[in-house]
Amino acid sequence: DTEVTQTPKHLVMGMTNKKSLKCEQHMGHRAMYWYKQKAKKPPELMFVYSYEKLSINESVPSRFSPECPNSSLLNLHLHALQPEDSALYLCASSQALADIYNEQFFGPGTRLTVL
Amino acid sequence: GQNIDQPTEMTATEGAIVQINCTYQTSGFNGLFWYQQHAGEAPTFLSYNVLDGLEEKGRFSSFLSRSKGYSYLLLKELQMKDSASYLCAVVDSNYQLIWGAGTKLIIKP
Repeated sequence: DTEVTQTPKHLVMGMTNKKSLKCEQHMGHRAMYWYKQKAKKPPELMFVYSYEKLSINESVPSRFSPECPNSSLLNLHLHALQPEDSALYLCASSQALADIYNEQFFGPGTRLTVL
Repeated sequence: GQNIDQPTEMTATEGAIVQINCTYQTSGFNGLFWYQQHAGEAPTFLSYNVLDGLEEKGRFSSFLSRSKGYSYLLLKELQMKDSASYLCAVVDSNYQLIWGAGTKLIIKP
């Protein structure tokens, strides 16, 4: 299985809602990532988990809360988002964080719209 | 600072060859990736270079010159499905991916 899956594929939420994005991989990868991508821009790193511990938090607002329940799962909890948070949210995984060859495998993304 | 430059947009004809350039200035270098991304979809891996030279994979080739901080992606026998954005990303000294803004490639019949 060389796939990263993400659910839901699309999400529309109000500014007062609480929702969660889910990501799963079964490749035995020990590093998992959340990216935010706006149209016509490159992916913007949000969080990195290495061996289920938060390794990097790129100054992301607290309305985004990551969680790594186990080595295969990565969640992103959303609360009180703003319309400017509307974007494609990508999950990725790689074998390990500090490997030189560290190809990241991306999930299909969740298209988030905040009303 | 860290900087990766790619052309914003390129146009090519079906069946032709196109070269997409990428120049970089990063804190350390541990390899360079090229990813393809169709609109609204996730990036998919195309190539990885860590040593100088050319890596060939079917219709796609990628070249690296570390001394010049330069790479290119060469696409041959272009097909309409090659219309996409092509992202250059460098692995820096902290093993983090530094992404270029991407090059939108438009293929015309």
